[in-house]
Amino acid sequence: SAVISQKPSRDICQRGTSLTIQCQVDSQVTMMFWYRQQPGQSLTLIATANQGSEATYESGFVIDKFPISRPNLTFSTLTVSNMSPEDSSIYLCSVGLAQSYEQYFGPGTRLTVT
Amino acid sequence: QKEVEQNSGPLSVPEGAIASLNCTYSDRGSQSFFWYRQYSGKSPELIMSIYSNGDKEDGRFTAQLNKASQYVSLLIRDSQPSDSATYLCAVSAYTGNQFYFGTGTSLTVIP
Repeated sequence: SAVISQKPSRDICQRGTSLTIQCQVDSQVTMMFWYRQQPGQSLTLIATANQGSEATYESGFVIDKFPISRPNLTFSTLTVSNMSPEDSSIYLCSVGLAQSYEQYFGPGTRLTVT
Repeated sequence: QKEVEQNSGPLSVPEGAIASLNCTYSDRGSQSFFWYRQYSGKSPELIMSIYSNGDKEDGRFTAQLNKASQYVSLLIRDSQPSDSATYLCAVSAYTGNQFYFGTGTSLTVIP
């Protein structure tokens, strides 16, 4: 497995502002992903963070709203832009291990938009 | 749209009983199957992965996969109160490692 950290662990933000969430892994990994988990719901994949190229977004998620960076094989950021209360959610990064196809999750960032 | 469905909860079982959690998926191209446990306020924790038809046992957990029926299940033997959590089924094709999660089943083990 891998040790994954996320910053911040939680935040309360005002409507219309942006928040950047960081995800750091203790080893180089090929695949990194960003998920959203809304209150009482399951996980929804936002995008795959690709190292050295643009992220691959799932249907319903766009780069202007959720820009993602992946500058190297151990780090990624997700920005939630122009936030509204509907963006209140837990945001999780995960890493995929190519040799086993498994994914491991970071501790998550709990975002509240007021 | 790739769909993953789990039996609706909440599920309650007495301590020491067997808990049975079920999951069906729509994409016949799925190759990898996972069960995650998520405690309230925590992130999902991988507990089982299965790739071939049949059973896979790990301690008190047994995962069962039937690709023809597009069905995967998780059995928890000798259930303990510490098993009380939401269990998430995840399905993936090999390519891209993109996971699709079910809605989760909440399990309560009653002492």
